[in-house]
Amino acid sequence: EVQLVQSGGVVVQPGGSLRLSCAASGFTFDDYSMHWVRQVSGKGLEWVSVVSWDGGSKYYGDSVKGRFTVSRDNSKDILYLQMNGLTTEDTAFYYCAKDSESHYRNSWHYFDHWGLGTLVTVSS
Amino acid sequence: DIQMTQSPSTLSASVGDRVTITCRASQSINIWLAWYQQKPGKAPKVLIYKASTLQSGVPSRFSGSGSGTEFTLTISSLQPDDFATYYCQQYNSYSLLSFGGGTKVEIK
Repeated sequence: EVQLVQSGGVVVQPGGSLRLSCAASGFTFDDYSMHWVRQVSGKGLEWVSVVSWDGGSKYYGDSVKGRFTVSRDNSKDILYLQMNGLTTEDTAFYYCAKDSESHYRNSWHYFDHWGLGTLVTVSS
Repeated sequence: DIQMTQSPSTLSASVGDRVTITCRASQSINIWLAWYQQKPGKAPKVLIYKASTLQSGVPSRFSGSGSGTEFTLTISSLQPDDFATYYCQQYNSYSLLSFGGGTKVEIK
């Protein structure tokens, strides 16, 4: 059974930094690209970032480019999102999600499995 | 970037109704579209991918159609478990990903 276990919710001050993690099991982690998607409470879904199966390609949405960095540790089956320069507009649930297709580097697909989400609150 | 527009944003319906949700892309995405269902406090769940392929385990009352820039999700006979918010997502080759704004299906 595929499982994506995310780190717990946190509160951080504006301008602060935070690293989210997502531990994967139940599939061959280093075969698949992995994504981060966020959702402001009561609002829609926003794709945030993707890292390819081998870590060689990384892409970001415009709202986080230059502030967030996605990475993965294939030896530990863990996905990360380093978030710097946080603002109140980054307050949201952050989901990690598994790409549906294996071994793509610059082409992405739909999400067939999701983590339960981590609530990030940016507040003074 | 490809923009996805869903309509309506809210839909009121009764159990047994046939429900249709529309998703339009700002440029052609061929058939590279998925539909998700999300219930309050839960992660989204994929229902349909490649515009019309039903994900394993999803009831057959859900169906998808369309290609190019216009797509629809249809629920043939709405059940109590179907009251939720539905999102489309495009995954056109070599493009960044994007979602529609969502359609909340409410009890009439």
